[in-house]
Amino acid sequence: SQQGEEDPQALSIQEGENATMNCSYKTSINNLQWYRQNSGRGLVHLILIRSNEREKHSGRLRVTLDTSKKSSSLLITASRAADTASYFCATEGGGLPDKLIFGTGTRLQVFP
Amino acid sequence: ETGVTQSPTHLIKTRGQQVTLRCSSQSGHNTVSWYQQALGQGPQFIFQYYREEENGRGNFPPRFSGLQFPNYSSELNVNALELDDSALYLCASSPRDRPYEQYFGPGTRLTVT
Repeated sequence: SQQGEEDPQALSIQEGENATMNCSYKTSINNLQWYRQNSGRGLVHLILIRSNEREKHSGRLRVTLDTSKKSSSLLITASRAADTASYFCATEGGGLPDKLIFGTGTRLQVFP
Repeated sequence: ETGVTQSPTHLIKTRGQQVTLRCSSQSGHNTVSWYQQALGQGPQFIFQYYREEENGRGNFPPRFSGLQFPNYSSELNVNALELDDSALYLCASSPRDRPYEQYFGPGTRLTVT
């Protein structure tokens, strides 16, 4: 089963624009992570935000977490064509911190 | 690029056959997890191995089994392949003291015909 649900399912923007993706989850968490996947290949870890954090930045990435609403958002600023990929949120599950439960993903297309 | 490698890259098998997929963990990582990713979906947790023993399992039938070796490399075995087993299989390794830091390999694309 999928813990997280990303919204939108797909997003198309022009280079230079900002991209915002949202994730909702069902159970309480210790942390939430965002991953990126290019063309059905391996996932790359982008950022982790802990349950006691509300916002975190890494380069052009900004992640927010609202535990009261069980939701998170990923903002990519000044997007580039190379940002074209699928983005997934993931939470831990089943008492195992390294058992990740992924959402369905947002497919981002950035046009030059 | 993570230090996790997987083989083969692509594989085509026939329904009813058996398949073995391999994963080499990043150096220093003693935990490996396997995930199945169907087309257009997020990865789903299959199981995890720590110190050569299964340490948690997702909602997958017993025909999905695994091994972890003393050098922390790992295998995923699937018996009696079904068409729905067609997917990208990902392994991820992590250090035990930082289990949330998962490093994924590039995956093996399995097609069952």
